Amino acid sequence: DTGVSQNPRHKITKRGQNVTFRCDPISEHNRLYWYRQTLGQGPEFLTYFQNEAQLEKSRLLSDRFSAERPKGSFSTLEIQRTEQGDSAMYLCASSLGTSSNQPQHFGDGTRLSIL
Amino acid sequence: GESVGLHLPTLSVQEGDNSIINCAYSNSASDYFIWYKQESGKGPQFIIDIRSNMDKRQGQRVTVLLNKTVKHLSLQIAATQPGDSAVYFCAETRAAGNKLTFGGGTRVLVKP
Repeated sequence: DTGVSQNPRHKITKRGQNVTFRCDPISEHNRLYWYRQTLGQGPEFLTYFQNEAQLEKSRLLSDRFSAERPKGSFSTLEIQRTEQGDSAMYLCASSLGTSSNQPQHFGDGTRLSIL
Repeated sequence: GESVGLHLPTLSVQEGDNSIINCAYSNSASDYFIWYKQESGKGPQFIIDIRSNMDKRQGQRVTVLLNKTVKHLSLQIAATQPGDSAVYFCAETRAAGNKLTFGGGTRVLVKP
């Protein structure tokens, strides 16, 4: 499978704990995006990288959230001191950044449940 | 699996009929639009895209229409099949590679 891969698929944790998710994009894609989706809603943008540079962060990304893409390949999203409102599906997408618009391709997400 | 879109507008269609899903977008500066299909427990799956310099684009069994005057996008699915049952989202963006803004989604239920 050469699509976007996300791990773990499910994460259940107690409020106040830290969690980290991983995304492996499609291999030749230089852009990587994180989105959050709650039930009944479309995905909401969190942040994106071009290679290892984080180019934009949403206001949804509070200071408890941090994302990295240290070598321009895989990315991690960490949430510190989780709150019940953090329960959601966290989706990663990647695209080939060229002068033309290219579609973003999504992984199957990590579902986070905060107890 | 867990359901996506518990309270979304629903389009019920008979197997074999054509489906039309509509989307109103908000940003007149958006210049690239995508339709995604999302099945329960999975991430959004790319269906078809269209740039703002076009008003129609066809794929396999799908057609996207763009009306920039009224900021309206539609997805037509020909000969709808049971495997087309899913939630469909439109998404818009301004400039290549930028963040996507998603619409509210429509659930399509195909009746055998």
